[in-house]
Amino acid sequence: KAGVTQTPRYLIKTRGQQVTLSCSPISGHRSVSWYQQTPGQGLQFLFEYFSETQRNKGNFPGRFSGRQFSNSRSEMNVSTLELGDSALYLCASRSSDFSYNEQFFGPGTRLTVL
Amino acid sequence: GENVEQHPSTLSVQEGDSAVIKCTYSDSASNYFPWYKQELGKGPQLIIDIRSNVGEKKDQRIAVTLNKTAKHFSLHITETQPEDSAVYFCAALRPDSNYQLIWGAGTKLIIKP
Repeated sequence: KAGVTQTPRYLIKTRGQQVTLSCSPISGHRSVSWYQQTPGQGLQFLFEYFSETQRNKGNFPGRFSGRQFSNSRSEMNVSTLELGDSALYLCASRSSDFSYNEQFFGPGTRLTVL
Repeated sequence: GENVEQHPSTLSVQEGDSAVIKCTYSDSASNYFPWYKQELGKGPQLIIDIRSNVGEKKDQRIAVTLNKTAKHFSLHITETQPEDSAVYFCAALRPDSNYQLIWGAGTKLIIKP
């Protein structure tokens, strides 16, 4: 079974631009969560989508948005990029609506904002 | 809301020794506590978890203990090996939180040869 894939793996943007990151979950998984990881800040939860609906949202500004498609693939968009948005963005998928389900993480997209 | 504190932020141990990472949580309603390991260049991966109706769980060289009264849980790694070098994250889950995990800040474990 293929794991969670994220594209692109690396991205360099300049301040003010916008960016779209993509996540393909494990086949059959309906939940996709997004996290921002910066050195010393751990995993900061952005949002979770389940069956195309945003189920949870973290404390990030409205510049961060996401969506999920009918095939469970998810995209995350960041508009008006700031230097502080430089981070590793991870997505994770889960198989069902069961709270104890393991989250499977992708390798992440490394975003650098210049 | 729930808050999870993780200590230490960095832990360096000699190969073959044991390592212990501790997390405390604030919400007594939390009932599920997973541990994830993140190796360099990879996403985190679940290594062990424990539910609130169990006090201890073991899987070969790793174990997790839970003290519900004190609201803390710990990861124990015995006979550490170089491949144990990674960042470890703890997390907690409330049953009514819409399945959202609350994460600790992570511990960088360094195994010295």
